[in-house]
Amino acid sequence: GQNIDQPTEMTATEGAIVQINCTYQTSGFNGLFWYQQHAGEAPTFLSYNVLDGLEEKGRFSSFLSRSKGYSYLLLKELQMKDSASYLCAVTDSNYQLIWGAGTKLIIKP
Amino acid sequence: DAMVIQNPRYQVTQFGKPVTLSCSQTLNHNVMYWYQQKSSQAPKLLFHYYDKDFNNEADTPDNFQSRRPNTSFCFLDIRSPGLGDAAMYLCATSRAGQGTDTQYFGPGTRLTVL
Repeated sequence: GQNIDQPTEMTATEGAIVQINCTYQTSGFNGLFWYQQHAGEAPTFLSYNVLDGLEEKGRFSSFLSRSKGYSYLLLKELQMKDSASYLCAVTDSNYQLIWGAGTKLIIKP
Repeated sequence: DAMVIQNPRYQVTQFGKPVTLSCSQTLNHNVMYWYQQKSSQAPKLLFHYYDKDFNNEADTPDNFQSRRPNTSFCFLDIRSPGLGDAAMYLCATSRAGQGTDTQYFGPGTRLTVL
């Protein structure tokens, strides 16, 4: 079966750095997405990785290791507005998008 | 601004009473998706359209139907809502349907079934 694992919930402090991990077991791989979803709202696109390495975009960075079936989303200089769920999604060999259940990030002052 | 619009944002219906949710897009994307998302769960793809070609997920109940009369609009019909159908329904679009294209989501419709 296809599976994406993320921690259910994480807590971090305003101004700090947090790393949200995602591991996947899918039939093939054609890219990995990270989406942010605030409570009661729709997911919004954060990043897309298809090659190994780190992609930096402002305060957010996303890393991919295809050989390990592993990605992480790194959030720096945390702000209260970063409190949200972060969804990892992988495109498999059939170009189907497989979603994780998301990691709820709680930011404390 | 180009966007994905869903109406209504909140929908209350009674057990067994048909309901229709709507989605429109100004992005001129070829693909439109309907997802069901329950609290703290991953979005579950119900079906998608590539242009007029309809693609139903194998485990989508027959109770759920969809229509796409033109490029801009797509509808989700729930013929006989049950209590288990209470969820957030998300419409999304992408330029192409290869799964490597970014999907752009509407704000969602939260469905309550009484």
